[in-house]
Amino acid sequence: GESVGLHLPTLSVQEGDNSIINCAYSNSASDYFIWYKQESGKGPQFIIDIRSNMDKRQGQRVTVLLNKTVKHLSLQIAATQPGDSAVYFCAESLKNTGNQFYFGTGTSLTVIP
Amino acid sequence: ETGVTQTPRHLVMGMTNKKSLKCEQHLGHNAMYWYKQSAKKPLELMFVYSLEERVENNSVPSRFSPECPNSSHLFLHLHTLQPEDSALYLCASSQLYRGDYGYTFGSGTRLTVV
Repeated sequence: GESVGLHLPTLSVQEGDNSIINCAYSNSASDYFIWYKQESGKGPQFIIDIRSNMDKRQGQRVTVLLNKTVKHLSLQIAATQPGDSAVYFCAESLKNTGNQFYFGTGTSLTVIP
Repeated sequence: ETGVTQTPRHLVMGMTNKKSLKCEQHLGHNAMYWYKQSAKKPLELMFVYSLEERVENNSVPSRFSPECPNSSHLFLHLHTLQPEDSALYLCASSQLYRGDYGYTFGSGTRLTVV
């Protein structure tokens, strides 16, 4: 199977600071990536996605960067808020696998007030 | 609400019990999934129903049995489970071949096998 890994299992940031969560993937054929947020007691929620023909995509307070050369994905959260505390997963989808995604183990983000 | 509803939210069952998890999606999607989420592990895909066809992960023990009576409902029937089956079971749905947005997940059923 595919390997989707996260560099750090936990991350603590001060409220108001920017957060960066990293993800490595191993298959250069992956063409679609998604970041999910999972709060305690809830299922994963879609945050932002990016296709392999893009390097950067911005949402509201979030930015995803894709570096295909080193197979690296990152999620940047601006002005981190207490409500951002959650586990963040990256997921990759491979070409020709329909809609099947492979998930990383997750990074737990804690925002310190 | 995310559009995918799972019941029950919590379930405690003995190893000899038979129970079922239910999932319902209100999004008009044509694919549904069961995932197992254990602590400090990636989400494990268990079963996929895709365009009314079942795609099965061969590593799933037979004590887990899925059922998809229509495109909106998905069940996971459980019998003679083991304590190591305790986990969060997540249902998800998606619209196949649209290529965007990935899955919509339910809130999960927290299963404890005693």
